[in-house]
Amino acid sequence: EIVLTQSPGTLSLSPGERATLSCRASQSVSSSFLAWYQQRPGQAPRLLIYGASTRATGIPDRFSGSGSGTDFTLTISGLEPEDFAVYYCQQYDTSPPSLTFGPGTIVDIK
Amino acid sequence: QLRLQESAPGLVKPSETLSLTCTVSGGSVRSSHFYWGWIRQTPGKGLEWIGNVYYTSSVYYNPSLKSRVTVAMDTSKNQISLTLSSVTAADTAVYYCARQGAQPDARGFLDVWGRGTTVIVSS
Repeated sequence: EIVLTQSPGTLSLSPGERATLSCRASQSVSSSFLAWYQQRPGQAPRLLIYGASTRATGIPDRFSGSGSGTDFTLTISGLEPEDFAVYYCQQYDTSPPSLTFGPGTIVDIK
Repeated sequence: QLRLQESAPGLVKPSETLSLTCTVSGGSVRSSHFYWGWIRQTPGKGLEWIGNVYYTSSVYYNPSLKSRVTVAMDTSKNQISLTLSSVTAADTAVYYCARQGAQPDARGFLDVWGRGTTVIVSS
């Protein structure tokens, strides 16, 4: 089973600053099968990025994803007030089909 | 617009069976393009994938829950269901249903989620 680790656990930043979130896998993950989600308090997770770098429908271009192998990054180029939330990475295994999530990174207001 | 709505009993007694349904509106569960599944969230374990079902009735489960879980599809009602047997306090969580892509160029991620429903296991 592939285990995902996210760092930092908490990122304290001010609006307008750049956020860089890391997701590391215990084994190599196909870039096609790495996704990022945002979760605001009291809401369901929302898909931001799939295929490691493709923005989902309606996601602003300040969100970008990159990486390959075992190291992936989510970057928010200039934090807006609504971006302070928890972010999760997720990977998909094809054999057998299964999904696993990272523990999340909290982005809060400094 | 696709919408997923979970329904749940809210409170389940230990050792009993938890049963949830997810009603899909604005789209059909009988689509070759998608899996339909369940994810839960607890403060302790975070987000945990439970399992999913395809329109062919193929099902896939998290190995850690497989012995207690059944995910099924009712195409006549456009619903998916989850049953989890022998529940304990550790099964207390917010349960979400979600859509997962099944096509080769769009699979492995959950693009539409329900709002979630809280299930508490307590006597």
